[in-house]
Amino acid sequence: SAVISQKPSRDICQRGTSLTIQCQVDSQVTMMFWYRQQPGQSLTLIATANQGSEATYESGFVIDKFPISRPNLTFSTLTVSNMSPEDSSIYLCSTQGKAGVEQETQYFGPGTRLLVL
Amino acid sequence: GENVEQHPSTLSVQEGDSAVIKCTYSDSASNYFPWYKQELGKRPQLIIDIRSNVGEKKDQRIAVTLNKTAKHFSLHITETQPEDSAVYFCAASPPYNQGGKLIFGQGTELSVKP
Repeated sequence: SAVISQKPSRDICQRGTSLTIQCQVDSQVTMMFWYRQQPGQSLTLIATANQGSEATYESGFVIDKFPISRPNLTFSTLTVSNMSPEDSSIYLCSTQGKAGVEQETQYFGPGTRLLVL
Repeated sequence: GENVEQHPSTLSVQEGDSAVIKCTYSDSASNYFPWYKQELGKRPQLIIDIRSNVGEKKDQRIAVTLNKTAKHFSLHITETQPEDSAVYFCAASPPYNQGGKLIFGQGTELSVKP
């Protein structure tokens, strides 16, 4: 499976500020995704990070609030902008389309635990 | 869009018993169905998956069955052990060339009592 790392692993932030989360993969992957997991809940897809073009956002998520970058095939960032306590969640990146692995198989990073005060 | 329903939300079994978790999906175009196990404070880990051209798949104590007509799939864990205690998520995905995103069920908290 792909080795995926995320930074930071956790953070405590003040409302109104922004935090950028990084996701690094040890090999080139076709697709990268960002999910949110609110406390005790399931995973909800925020957006698909497209290499070289704008991210594709799911219903209920907008670029101004969650800008995403994907400068190459091994790296992506998610920014949580103008944070409020409701943004307190775990943010997870996942990857798909690693060479030698079934195309659909998705692996997750360790997550970033965000607490907004 | 795709919607995935998962039942039960909690499941408690005695060690050695079997556990079954069921999911239904709405989009008949979905063709990939993974199951993830998430231990407390950890990332979701893929434990088994099935594609729509297969009706059943087994991996040691874990099996998944798929009924495309009824649009439901199930996870079966036999001879449960305390280390099987975790939250299990099912997911459904449209064809890879349509974006490959996963739509998750609500999760099942499995507790295996020694």
